[in-house]
Amino acid sequence: DAMVIQNPRYQVTQFGKPVTLSCSQTLNHNVMYWYQQKSSQAPKLLFHYYDKDFNNEADTPDNFQSRRPNTSFCFLDIRSPGLGDAAMYLCATCRGGLGITEAFFGQGTRLTVV
Amino acid sequence: AQKITQTQPGMFVQEKEAVTLDCTYDTSDQSYGLFWYKQPSSGEMIFLIYQGSYDEQNATEGRYSLNFQKARKSANLVISASQLGDSAMYFCAMRENNAGNMLTFGGGTRLMVKP
Repeated sequence: DAMVIQNPRYQVTQFGKPVTLSCSQTLNHNVMYWYQQKSSQAPKLLFHYYDKDFNNEADTPDNFQSRRPNTSFCFLDIRSPGLGDAAMYLCATCRGGLGITEAFFGQGTRLTVV
Repeated sequence: AQKITQTQPGMFVQEKEAVTLDCTYDTSDQSYGLFWYKQPSSGEMIFLIYQGSYDEQNATEGRYSLNFQKARKSANLVISASQLGDSAMYFCAMRENNAGNMLTFGGGTRLMVKP
């Protein structure tokens, strides 16, 4: 059973047109991550939440925003997508707090900008 | 400085043979975790194996084992009896206790299994 679900799997958007990617989880994990992964590169952390505490990476462009309305859902908003934002976007969750545990990933959303 | 270094961009292995994928890391934290993930062409990131910094035994999960050498700061993944389905990108990753909940990835190794 899927535990981290990303929708949609594939998204095509127009240059400059706002787009939202969604992620939901059934694991009740308090940490959620958004990664951007371009072809043949490592995933790059954009931001992450610990509960409602938002942590933005220093080099994440302002064009990228995120919302986490509750434990189960997290959204990635790209306000004005450029051609350089075409990538795979990966959502992941893990249990924060005591101990270090593995992160579980969704299947990703592959974003195309035309 | 790179936190996680994977020095092998690509590797070939013959089916049914064992292969070692290298990973070295850099941290001053005493408490950290090391992970290996497999990413097939479909794009999903599949968790394979975990090693905690305080674990004295090397982690094993089926055909996967982790050769953890703490003093050398290396955490190499060993895949025994390679299968064609093992062809994929493999990423080494680390979480440090003092770095909040950040999960940092290495550059990855593309493994290709030859029949």
